[in-house]
Amino acid sequence: GAGVSQSPRYKVAKRGQDVALRCDPISGHVSLFWYQQALGQGPEFLTYFQNEAQLDKSGLPSDRFFAERPEGSVSTLKIQRTQQEDSAVYLCASSWRTSGSSYNEQFFGPGTRLTVL
Amino acid sequence: TQLLEQSPQFLSIQEGENLTVYCNSSSVFSSLQWYRQEPGEGPVLLVTVVTGGEVKKLKRLTFQFGDARKDSSLHITAAQPGDTGLYLCAGERRDTGRRALTFGSGTRLQVQP
Repeated sequence: GAGVSQSPRYKVAKRGQDVALRCDPISGHVSLFWYQQALGQGPEFLTYFQNEAQLDKSGLPSDRFFAERPEGSVSTLKIQRTQQEDSAVYLCASSWRTSGSSYNEQFFGPGTRLTVL
Repeated sequence: TQLLEQSPQFLSIQEGENLTVYCNSSSVFSSLQWYRQEPGEGPVLLVTVVTGGEVKKLKRLTFQFGDARKDSSLHITAAQPGDTGLYLCAGERRDTGRRALTFGSGTRLQVQP
């Protein structure tokens, strides 16, 4: 497809379980971003990759959150020992612009809605 | 405290009315983007503004970037039910140089037929 895809679209986890969320960016897009969106709020930044390098992970809320993009394309966001406060929509976005560009337009996937019981 | 303040938070209007949504900050942004998000979907990019004072038009939507690059507005003329959704402004902060977008909390618009 032409857009950003994410899987699964919905995930229900019991507290304490580990989850893995996948993002397939637009082909050729260099930059990839993960955001967390709580109900009724705007997205909040989690982490940013340029190709396979994780250049900014300042938004990850705890060391239970881990993201990777080993080949510079598909990315996985992993949450270990999930807690109820992790319940949110996790959005992935990609952009063809690099860190040296004057601005970047980000294109979002549909998100993964995570519910932790 | 939200870095980007959007107002109003909620807006319910009749088809054909005009409306303006505001996005304000004390920080300067390199660029500012407007997105629309529908339930169960990701945000869809509407426009990017990069120059202070810039005005862009997209059919019935008019976007303006403040001269000081700290604020922006979205004006919709003759709103239609298809305009219903969550409108989000988002910007790249100039001072941090970070690539991440900082989002406002959104304006939820409901246009009644």
